[in-house]
This record gives sequence, C-alpha cells and structure tokens, in this order.
Amino acid sequence: KQEVTQIPAALSVPEGENLVLNCSFTDSAIYNLQWFRQDPGKGLTSLLLIQSSQREQTSGRLNASLDKSSGRSTLYIAASQPGDSATYLCAVTRGSQGNLIFGKGTKLSVKP
Amino acid sequence: DVKVTQSSRYLVKRTGEKVFLECVQDMDHENMFWYRQDPGLGLRLIYFSYDVKMKEKGDIPEGYSVSREKKERFSLILESASTNQTSMYLCASSLQYYSNSDTQYFGPGTRLTVL
Repeated sequence: KQEVTQIPAALSVPEGENLVLNCSFTDSAIYNLQWFRQDPGKGLTSLLLIQSSQREQTSGRLNASLDKSSGRSTLYIAASQPGDSATYLCAVTRGSQGNLIFGKGTKLSVKP
Repeated sequence: DVKVTQSSRYLVKRTGEKVFLECVQDMDHENMFWYRQDPGLGLRLIYFSYDVKMKEKGDIPEGYSVSREKKERFSLILESASTNQTSMYLCASSLQYYSNSDTQYFGPGTRLTVL
C-alpha cells in the first residue's frame, strides 16, 4: 500500500531564507508526483508536477526534484517571502485514472 | 481558465439530516473526485467517477453516496449526517485518459459542521 510522508510537519523561517520541504513515498510505481499549495480554508493549487521519467521541474522560485528509486522528492523554495506562507502538500498518482495519494503536508510560515 | 465550483463554502447541519454537496466543473473533464480533509489525517478519497452514471469507491466510502447524472456535476450525499462527518470536503476533476502530465483541479472546498 502506497504511503506518502512529509517532513517536517511545520516550518518557520525568516524572510529571504532558502528552504527545502521533503516528501517520501513507499512504492516507486508512480505515474507522477505533484506539489500543491493550500492556503487556510481554501482549495488546493497545483505548483509543480514531475512525470515519472523526469528528475526535476522548475517554476520561478520553486524547484522540485524526484528520485523514484529512493522514493523521495524535495521542494526547494528560494528567497522565501511572507506570501509563501501556506501548507504544502505532496501527492503521488496511482492508477490510470489519476487517483492521488497525499502526504499530510508541511505548514510553512515565513516571518517578515 | 479552469474552474471547479462547490455549492457552499460553509454548511451547518443537524445529526440525521440528509446532506447534498454539489460540485460543478467547466473543463469537460470525465473524472471527478470527492475528498475529505481532516487535521492529522490529510486528504482521503471518498468516491470518484470516471464517466456519467459511473462511480467507484475510494478509501473511505462508508456513510457516503454519490450521484453523477451529468458530466459536469458530481454530488456527494450524506444519507444521515453524523458528527464524525464534520470535515472539509474537496471536489476535484481531471481528464479521463490520464497521462502522467495531467493534474487534478480542485474546488475551494466546503466546510461542513454536523451538530
């Protein structure tokens, strides 16, 4: 059974710091891995999607990497800003219909 | 711009009531999903549908049913609401012939409280 774990559960950093969020999964047979952002009381917004054959994806200050063999992914945020404060969720896709299995998230707080 | 809407942002119901949560997407997606999100448990899949009138159980279907009469609309039904169904409910949609470059698009969520 696929399990997704995110460490740490919460993180507080000063503005401007570079940071890394971690995600691990137990079964390497995945279609893709995605990172989502969730603001308090809101839905999820997709940030980055890494296909199973890819190693990394970049969007602006965000960079996500994938190592299928070790069952790990990282989300790197450069030069963090208070607006980055949110919960970040990692999810892997199982099955041909795109069902997602989520980690429990990392709650990030960036202090001015 | 893609859009998934949910009928209510906040809902308060009494134990034993029948509750309908509605989700509509305007992207002509075949797949639609219902999740619930609880502190410490994360997001868990309740039901999903890959076509009109088709449905599949997710990880936690007990106490719920679904209806998909039209492609764009997917309803989650709590036949007799209980306090342990107090939660945030999230709807999502995606393309049917899923490729590894496709994502799910999420609605804003419905915060349901059962008293």
